[in-house]
Amino acid sequence: DVKVTQSSRYLVKRTGEKVFLECVQDMDHENMFWYRQDPGLGLRLIYFSYDVKMKEKGDIPEGYSVSREKKERFSLILESASTNQTSMYLCASSFRQGANEQYFGPGTRLTVT
Amino acid sequence: KNQVEQSPQSLIILEGKNCTLQCNYTVSPFSNLRWYKQDTGRGPVSLTIMTFSENTKSNGRYTATLDADTKQSSLHITASQLSDSASYICVVSDRGSTLGRLYFGRGTQLTVWP
Repeated sequence: DVKVTQSSRYLVKRTGEKVFLECVQDMDHENMFWYRQDPGLGLRLIYFSYDVKMKEKGDIPEGYSVSREKKERFSLILESASTNQTSMYLCASSFRQGANEQYFGPGTRLTVT
Repeated sequence: KNQVEQSPQSLIILEGKNCTLQCNYTVSPFSNLRWYKQDTGRGPVSLTIMTFSENTKSNGRYTATLDADTKQSSLHITASQLSDSASYICVVSDRGSTLGRLYFGRGTQLTVWP
């Protein structure tokens, strides 16, 4: 079974803190994605990566950065957390070619106070 | 603009009843359409996938239909159970995307009451 794990299920941070969200997948997938999910808005793509050290902006990249130093690991970084970044963050991975199924992690519920 | 619209936004049914969720999309060129189930506090899990040539696909009590001409899909749940309470998300991908980008609907929140 594909497994996508995220470092924390729940996280509480203060405004201005630097926040790291980690995601690891064990299926040798090339593609990895970070989404945020807010009530009434659905999932929105923040960043994605199709290879090690490669990254592409999604629909809402402002206030976020990412890092992919190893194929299995994709990190989302909030350089200076703000209250409007309180959300559920979901990581996903998939094989590169075609419109393949994305497998999601369990999510991290981040609260910024 | 590629969009996916779902209705209703929320739905409450009694255990044992059937229900149908709707999805309309404008994604083009179309590749496939998936229905995901997301339990509260969990990541989404794929239920069905349908390509352009498929009209119906079943997964247990879940049956998805696709009309590629009208760009509509539905998810029918038969003999609902309490465990069906979840958000159901329609997700469409386009053939032009080699990196597997997806377009998400906002989901239908289904609640099954005993």
